[in-house]
Amino acid sequence: DVKVTQSSRYLVKRTGEKVFLECVQDMDHENMFWYRQDPGLGLRLIYFSYDVKMKEKGDIPEGYSVSREKKERFSLILESASTNQTSMYLCASSLRPGVAASYNEQFFGPGTRLTVL
Amino acid sequence: GIQVEQSPPDLILQEGANSTLRCNFSDSVNNLQWFHQNPWGQLINLFYIPSGTKQNGRLSATTVATERYSLLYISSSQTTDSGVYFCAVVASTSGTYKYIFGTGTRLKVLA
Repeated sequence: DVKVTQSSRYLVKRTGEKVFLECVQDMDHENMFWYRQDPGLGLRLIYFSYDVKMKEKGDIPEGYSVSREKKERFSLILESASTNQTSMYLCASSLRPGVAASYNEQFFGPGTRLTVL
Repeated sequence: GIQVEQSPPDLILQEGANSTLRCNFSDSVNNLQWFHQNPWGQLINLFYIPSGTKQNGRLSATTVATERYSLLYISSSQTTDSGVYFCAVVASTSGTYKYIFGTGTRLKVLA
């Protein structure tokens, strides 16, 4: 079974702090994703990565950066946390999309509920 | 871009009842997934179903790609089925792929 883990289930930080959210997958997936989920807004893509050291902006990258130094690990960084970044953060992974449609199946981690005070 | 709509937005059932959740999408897609988000927030994979019909216990799903919809059936519902159900599609545009999520159906099953 694919397993995606996230470093924390709950996190409380103060405004202005630098925050690191870590995500690790154990299935050698090429693609990894960071989403945030807010009531009424659904899941929104922040960043994704399709290979080591590669990253692409999603729909709402402002205020975030990412790092992918190893294939299994994808980090989301809040350089200076703000209260409007209080949210549920979800990490996902998938094989690279290819001719075989099954490569597109996404698998999610348990999520991190971040509160910025 | 592709629009993904789910219906109904909210559903309340008595334990033991059956239900059908619908996912409509506005253009052709490469694949479709159904997820259940449990009360702790994790998205659990239910089905990967770009076309056809699949069954897993009390749950089954059907996707008719040519008519741009998918259905999730829940039979003999249990309180543990409560949560939010999402469908997500993958669409390709100019060689890049994007996952697009529906807005979800919030299900509450009463004991």
